[in-house]
Amino acid sequence: AQSVTQPDIHITVSEGASLELRCNYSYGATPYLFWYVQSPGQGLQLLLKYFSGDTLVQGIKGFEAEFKRSQSSFNLRKPSVHWSDAAEYFCAVALYSSASKIIFGSGTRLSIRP
Amino acid sequence: NAGVTQTPKFRVLKTGQSMTLLCAQDMNHEYMYWYRQDPGMGLRLIHYSVGEGTTAKGEVPDGYNVSRLKKQNFLLGLESAAPSQTSVYFCASSYPGLANTGELFFGEGSRLTVL
Repeated sequence: AQSVTQPDIHITVSEGASLELRCNYSYGATPYLFWYVQSPGQGLQLLLKYFSGDTLVQGIKGFEAEFKRSQSSFNLRKPSVHWSDAAEYFCAVALYSSASKIIFGSGTRLSIRP
Repeated sequence: NAGVTQTPKFRVLKTGQSMTLLCAQDMNHEYMYWYRQDPGMGLRLIHYSVGEGTTAKGEVPDGYNVSRLKKQNFLLGLESAAPSQTSVYFCASSYPGLANTGELFFGEGSRLTVL
């Protein structure tokens, strides 16, 4: 069965510091990959997505993610975080064979230290 | 511009009671989804639909039923609620096609408590 793992439950970084959130997936083929953000009490918003081609993808709010096939990873990065980035972040996957079925990871909660 | 609307937003049930969550979208989306969100478990897909009159099981379908009689509505039913179904439920929708894959539009969530 398709699955996606986010090994970090909670991360705290200082404002202005760089950020990397980890995501690993377990499939034989390359899936479609996504990162979503959820602000407190809100639904989820798509940050970025990877289908094919360039392995470094840019998203909204200054985020980027890099697909590494050899590591089955799709880590989210931001060079300098802002206090407003405090939220929960979810990695998600979909298979080419059933692209309508979107599966989410367990999430990483990001706190920002002033 | 409502987007995805879920009703009700809060509900408390007793074990064994039934209820229906309604999701309505006004974006003419083909695909609709129901997820549940529990602490430490992220979002888990309950059921989804790729078009009017069609539904499919997700990761955790047991104890839930769904119907998509109209394109704009996706109903999630609990026939006999259990405490394990206490959760926040999110509805989402999207357009079909590769370019739109994964671009889900979410509702604000429905918090359900089963006593």
